[in-house]
Amino acid sequence: GQNIDQPTEMTATEGAIVQINCTYQTSGFNGLFWYQQHAGEAPTFLSYNVLDGLEEKGRFSSFLSRSKGYSYLLLKELQMKDSASYLCAVRDDSNYQLIWGAGTKLIIKP
Amino acid sequence: DVKVTQSSRYLVKRTGEKVFLECVQDMDHENMFWYRQDPGLGLRLIYFSYDVKMKEKGDIPEGYSVSREKKERFSLILESASTNQTSMYLCASSLEGFSNQPQHFGDGTRLSIL
Repeated sequence: GQNIDQPTEMTATEGAIVQINCTYQTSGFNGLFWYQQHAGEAPTFLSYNVLDGLEEKGRFSSFLSRSKGYSYLLLKELQMKDSASYLCAVRDDSNYQLIWGAGTKLIIKP
Repeated sequence: DVKVTQSSRYLVKRTGEKVFLECVQDMDHENMFWYRQDPGLGLRLIYFSYDVKMKEKGDIPEGYSVSREKKERFSLILESASTNQTSMYLCASSLEGFSNQPQHFGDGTRLSIL
């Protein structure tokens, strides 16, 4: 079957670093996406990985290991506005559909 | 910037009513999607469309239908609303042909069925 696992909730401190993990088992793999979703708002695209390694975008980085079926999103210099849910999604062999994790709710404390 | 617009942010309907949720995108995207999002569950795909008048069932199509008469517009129809269809509904669109193209989402419609 197709499955994506993420922790349900994480807590971190303003100014710190947090790593949100995502593991997946899918029939095919055509890339992995990370989205951010603030409460009551639409998910917004953060990053895309299709090759192994680290992709850096400012304070956010995303890592992929295809052999391990594993990705993480790294958030540095945390700000209060980073409090949100972070969704991991895998594109399987279809060019259209994404398989979604349930999301990780990140709580930032002062 | 891509703009995906959903017709209502909040909607309250009664059991048995026929409900229409509308979605319009302005970036000439071929692909459009309807999801529902419930607490503790991931986004679940209801239907998607990769071209005008084309539609494909997603993971949970029962009780829903869709219509895509124009490229920019994708409608979700609840044929006879039931209380278990109370949910957040999200529409998305994406460009065809490139696996790195993200889906772009509307703000969502929070639908309550009484």
